[in-house]
Amino acid sequence: QQQVKQSPQSLIVQKGGISIINCAYENTAFDYFPWYQQFPGKGPALLIAIRPDVSEKKEGRFTISFNKSAKQFSLHIMDSQPGDSATYFCAASMSWGAQKLVFGQGTRLTINP
Amino acid sequence: DAMVIQNPRYQVTQFGKPVTLSCSQTLNHNVMYWYQQKSSQAPKLLFHYYDKDFNNEADTPDNFQSRRPNTSFCFLDIRSPGLGDAAMYLCATSFGGRGNTEAFFGQGTRLTVV
Repeated sequence: QQQVKQSPQSLIVQKGGISIINCAYENTAFDYFPWYQQFPGKGPALLIAIRPDVSEKKEGRFTISFNKSAKQFSLHIMDSQPGDSATYFCAASMSWGAQKLVFGQGTRLTINP
Repeated sequence: DAMVIQNPRYQVTQFGKPVTLSCSQTLNHNVMYWYQQKSSQAPKLLFHYYDKDFNNEADTPDNFQSRRPNTSFCFLDIRSPGLGDAAMYLCATSFGGRGNTEAFFGQGTRLTVV
C-alpha cells in the first residue's frame, strides 16, 4: 500500500529530446507528489511537485502530468540537456504533518550530446 | 544561505564500533528526518523528529537511534555498525503542519564500515 513504483530504471535520450519517467502509487491518502533530482555524491534536490487538485504543472522545461483516477504521475523533461543527466526519484507523501516521503526506485537519466 | 548541513561528508568506522552522524539546519524547520540510501537505491526513511517527538519507522532496526538536543541539531547514532549499514545517510528538514512545505535534504554522509 505504501509503494511507489517508478519506470524505467534507466533512460538514454539524445540532446534536445524529451525524457519521460513514470510513477504509480497505491495509497489514495497520498496527496503530494514531488520529483527529486540527485547528482552522484549529493543529496536529492526538489525539482517540481504537484498536488492532486491539478492535472498538470509546468516549470520551465519540466512538466508533471497527474492522473488521479489511474493513480499515476509522470515527469516530462523537454529539450533535454547533458546537464540533466542525473538520477530522478518520484515520491509521494501526505500534505499534512510530517512529510514522510515514499520514494520510487529511481531512474538514471543519461542525455547524450 | 539557509541550508541543511551534514558532518562529516565521509565517515569510516570499524565493524561494531559506535558512530554518530550529525545534522544542523538554519531553516528553523520543526521536523527533521533521517533517511538511509544504499547504493543505487532510493532513500528510505529511518525516523523523524516532529518538534521534540521522536517517530520511528516500524522496520528501522534497533541499532539505529537518534537525538535532537534542540531545534537546529539532530544526530544519528549507530550503536554497532555492521557491513550492511554502509550507505549514504541523508538528513532532511521540513515545516510540519497542514500544507507542509518541501523537504530540504543535506548533502549526506557516506558511511563505510570496515
